[in-house]
Amino acid sequence: DGGITQSPKYLFRKEGQNVTLSCEQNLNHDAMYWYRQDPGQGLRLIYYSQIVNDFQKGDIAEGYSVSREKKESFPLTVTSAQKNPTAFYLCASSILGGQSLGFFGPGTRLTVL
Amino acid sequence: AQSVTQPDIHITVSEGASLELRCNYSYGATPYLFWYVQSPGQGLQLLLKYFSGDTLVQGIKGFEAEFKRSQSSFNLRKPSVHWSDAAEYFCALYGNKLVFGAGTILRVKS
Repeated sequence: DGGITQSPKYLFRKEGQNVTLSCEQNLNHDAMYWYRQDPGQGLRLIYYSQIVNDFQKGDIAEGYSVSREKKESFPLTVTSAQKNPTAFYLCASSILGGQSLGFFGPGTRLTVL
Repeated sequence: AQSVTQPDIHITVSEGASLELRCNYSYGATPYLFWYVQSPGQGLQLLLKYFSGDTLVQGIKGFEAEFKRSQSSFNLRKPSVHWSDAAEYFCALYGNKLVFGAGTILRVKS
């Protein structure tokens, strides 16, 4: 079955450490997205990529970095520069043009201790 | 600029009652509009989407939404709510990127 895989589901890290969240899709979608979800704030766009080796900052990119070396993979690194990294992170994918934005991964809950 | 507003943070309805969740958007052209549902600790599931054409859109699980350009709204409705509908609902807009509202938490009382 086609879909999006995010791993791990729960992640704990010490303050000051970088951590990388995985996102893989086998839907052959060109576009991939990372969102952060905090209670009462909905989903906020961190980064998105519409083609391999290219990506754009979203609304809250500071303290995060991404790469898009393969079409199916879009890992997100939460760096030590991110002031409040504890959150639920969601990855999504779509065909270009936004007409198939129905695919989200199950999410990774990151807790920084 | 594009934005989505969901005015209601929480809504409580009785099982079997009708439901309407409000969504207002701001965008310079006709957007693509979506409603998603999220159960606790889970990813998002697409309920329905509007791209063009008929302004009344049918979705999964008995939900529907109506696009009203004059009111910049895309409200979600269901005629009879089931206890399993309790979840958080997000309205989203795609202009040049996908932007979400803050969400509405639906509680269903028996």
